[in-house]
Amino acid sequence: DTAVSQTPKYLVTQMGNDKSIKCEQNLGHDTMYWYKQDSKKFLKIMFSYNNKELIINETVPNRFSPKSPDKAHLNLHINSLELGDSAVYFCASSLRTGGETQYFGPGTRLLVL
Amino acid sequence: DQQVKQNSPSLSVQEGRISILNCDYTNSMFDYFLWYKKYPAEGPTFLISISSIKDKNEDGRFTVFLNKSAKHLSLHIVPSQPGDSAVYFCAASGLSGNTPLVFGKGTRLSVIA
Repeated sequence: DTAVSQTPKYLVTQMGNDKSIKCEQNLGHDTMYWYKQDSKKFLKIMFSYNNKELIINETVPNRFSPKSPDKAHLNLHINSLELGDSAVYFCASSLRTGGETQYFGPGTRLLVL
Repeated sequence: DQQVKQNSPSLSVQEGRISILNCDYTNSMFDYFLWYKKYPAEGPTFLISISSIKDKNEDGRFTVFLNKSAKHLSLHIVPSQPGDSAVYFCAASGLSGNTPLVFGKGTRLSVIA
C-alpha cells in the first residue's frame, strides 16, 4: 500500500490553463505539505496544513490554492498556469508539526507549454 | 539565501568503501536534521535523523554526525553498496510547529562496483 500517493504523476498542459494535483496519505498523519522542486533541484516548501488548517504559507503566488477536505487529503489547485510553474511537485505528510519526519509522495511532473 | 548547503553536487565511491556526505547550515535555530535519499522519478525517502541534543545517530550502515558549533553534519555510509547510488538531501528544521523543513540542493552519490 502506498503511504503517500499523488495524482496525476505527469501533467502536460498549456499556459493559462487551470489544473489540480491530488494527494492522499493513509498514514493517519495530522500534517500535510506541498513542496516544489524547480529546475535547480531545490526542494522548497509551499504550504503546510495541520488537521485541515493552513499553518505554513511560503511566498507563493495567489494562483496556487491548496485545499484540505480532510486530514488525509491535501489538493493543490493552480490557476492560469505559467511557464515558470513547470516543476516537480511533491506532497508529504508527518505525524505532527515541528521536528517530525516527513514522508513524501512520488511527485507530479508538471510541464507547462 | 541558502540556509542548508551541500557543497558537493556529486560523489563517486568504490563499493565496500565509506561514503561521506557533508552538509552545512547557517540558521542557529535549526535543531532537527534529516537525511533523505532520492531515486530518479521517485519522491525523497527518509533515511535517518538527528536532534540537536545528540552528536551521533546510527542505523545499520548509516550514521549521521552533528557538530553544532561548526553547524555541520555528515552522513556516513559504510560499507557502500551499488544500491546506495542516489541523490542524498540534507534537511533541517526547528522543533516548533511552524518551522518548515529546509532542504539542501542534494549530492548525487555513485557507488561503483
